[in-house]
Amino acid sequence: EPEVTQTPSHQVTQMGQEVILRCVPISNHLYFYWYRQILGQKVEFLVSFYNNEISEKSEIFDDQFSVERPDGSNFTLKIRSTKLEDSAMYFCATTQAGANLNEQFFGPGTRLTVL
Amino acid sequence: RKEVEQDPGPFNVPEGATVAFNCTYSNSASQSFFWYRQDCRKEPKLLMSVYSSGNEDGRFTAQLNRASQYISLLIRDSKLSDSATYLCVVNSGGGNKLTFGTGTQLKVEL
Repeated sequence: EPEVTQTPSHQVTQMGQEVILRCVPISNHLYFYWYRQILGQKVEFLVSFYNNEISEKSEIFDDQFSVERPDGSNFTLKIRSTKLEDSAMYFCATTQAGANLNEQFFGPGTRLTVL
Repeated sequence: RKEVEQDPGPFNVPEGATVAFNCTYSNSASQSFFWYRQDCRKEPKLLMSVYSSGNEDGRFTAQLNRASQYISLLIRDSKLSDSATYLCVVNSGGGNKLTFGTGTQLKVEL
């Protein structure tokens, strides 16, 4: 069964450093999302992306965050200058074109630890 | 009021028991409703969509009451492998973003 994959599985970084989290969507999926989950808290929406544009973003997704699909396969989330409070699990999710856009399939996540 | 509210549990039940989870949502414009399952330190996995007419998938039954803005999940004949956190998830309208509840933890015991 096709799956969303994410790399790295765990990223440790120093405060103020830039990080790039990568996601490889399921091949025929065209809608992409990033969510985060701080330890012990609920999953929170960050951003949705379709046709090489941001469709929607949350208040969390400020100027420090950006997304792109640089090579037509990887979907990346960049955090320019990490803060301690960015420590969380970051999940990529994707949806198939033409399907129920709300049935989103999640990758295994990247655990980001900011020291 | 929280957008999606769930009892955090934990619900500790013996194997074979029937257990029910409830969820309320605040945005009356919400269009789509789901139950996801999340194992410890893993990603959320779609368990089932929830339709107005109610729907069943094996041992799992989901119900939606739009008037009361209430969603439920019933698990019959609980198995040890059902132990997980069950997330009530709502599309909040006006886009495809999903809004998650904090989850209800289920522990099925021998």
